[in-house]
Amino acid sequence: DAGITQSPRYKITETGRQVTLMCHQTWSHSYMFWYRQDLGHGLRLIYYSAAADITDKGEVPDGYVVSRSKTENFPLTLESATRSQTSVYFCASKDGEAFFGQGTRLTVV
Amino acid sequence: AQKVTQAQTEISVVEKEDVTLDCVYETRDTTYYLFWYKQPPSGELVFLIRRNSFDEQNEISGRYSWNFQKSTSSFNFTITASQVVDSAVYFCALSEAWDNNDMRFGAGTRLTVKP
Repeated sequence: DAGITQSPRYKITETGRQVTLMCHQTWSHSYMFWYRQDLGHGLRLIYYSAAADITDKGEVPDGYVVSRSKTENFPLTLESATRSQTSVYFCASKDGEAFFGQGTRLTVV
Repeated sequence: AQKVTQAQTEISVVEKEDVTLDCVYETRDTTYYLFWYKQPPSGELVFLIRRNSFDEQNEISGRYSWNFQKSTSSFNFTITASQVVDSAVYFCALSEAWDNNDMRFGAGTRLTVKP
């Protein structure tokens, strides 16, 4: 199916653990983004990528790492999860308008 | 850097009322794009409209209309004859170029439409 998919949809992890959120798009859009959504803050940009092997920091990059070895995939890794990273994470790809995945609800306990 | 402000955190109306959601933006660029997205209770983000900085014509799509005014840096969204299904969080967003990396969102306005 065409579109953008995130996995997992829900994740509970412990403080200090590494966790990777996956994002896959089928359109071959050049631009991809990771946002986090928290009450009162809307969506804040974590990282973005203009193309394969090109990534850059957004507003709130600390504690996160991304990679983009292939155009269609843009995984987000929390190297050592903290409670403040409990959030809903959205991946998006952009071709004019941005198309969003369904979101991943991450809880760090 | 660009910034989007949605001053209305929550709005509650009764069905069939008209409601306007405000969006004020800041940018130093002359070329930019404005967006509105809807996030219903199910959580997905639904694209509603994109408008570029050179097109100040208002737009109407069914019960939805958008008023873009560069003089006041505003891109307001009006729902006419609101319905319960319009209940959602609405986000305004700004991108400083067509393919620009940095699409910034406002904090969102939660609209509740009561029957």
